Amino acid sequence: QSALTQPRSVSGSPGQSVTISCTGTSNDVGAFNYVSWYQQHPGKAPKILISDVSQRPSGVPDRFSGSKSGTTASLTISGLQAEDEADYYCCSYAGTYMYAIFGGGTKLTVL
Amino acid sequence: QLVESGGGVVQPGGSLRLSCEASGFTFSDCPMHWVRQAPGKGLEWVAVISYEGSNEYYADSVKGRFTISRDNAKNTVYVQMNSLRPEDTAVYFCARTAPRSVGVFDVWGQGTMVTVSS
Repeated sequence: QSALTQPRSVSGSPGQSVTISCTGTSNDVGAFNYVSWYQQHPGKAPKILISDVSQRPSGVPDRFSGSKSGTTASLTISGLQAEDEADYYCCSYAGTYMYAIFGGGTKLTVL
Repeated sequence: QLVESGGGVVQPGGSLRLSCEASGFTFSDCPMHWVRQAPGKGLEWVAVISYEGSNEYYADSVKGRFTISRDNAKNTVYVQMNSLRPEDTAVYFCARTAPRSVGVFDVWGQGTMVTVSS
């Protein structure tokens, strides 16, 4: 299976909102409500932001929100802050044998 | 917390075993994974092992060459990597899925670098 499709880059000014899309297929994003999102700063390990399409783990600011429609999931970051500048990855459960498929990643630039 | 070790430089066709020691949670309750990231590239799920170690699944890119295992008495998960190829060069992260969760990697190690080069 191919990686989920994300835009290579997005940008926004402090205080604005941005949305990152993540497009899969009926075998992954469209089949399961198990989409997660991760933030990765350079040289660091990924950090969970969203699980189960729209659930925020404790400690994640409510500026981060997730949704899904059909085979496309989305991450919205509102009230952009300088520290939000990072790479963002979506991930979908893909069944027992393939387990997980990641998106190619989106670089967020805070202008 | 998860701490990986065992990375290094290996020639094509060679082998390497990575380890990941867990602390701060009930390791034996959690499925464990290896996820890798080639230099400048995105994340790629590699393998998963069930909480008790009876089931393992692999990405097609490593099937038949990599073997994931765990020792719950030592709170450690391993990946044995054989027949290594240059395209296996990556930072290898271990990650856990919390009990009763699906498809979520909620705790990650810091990663260990594997370079396959002659």
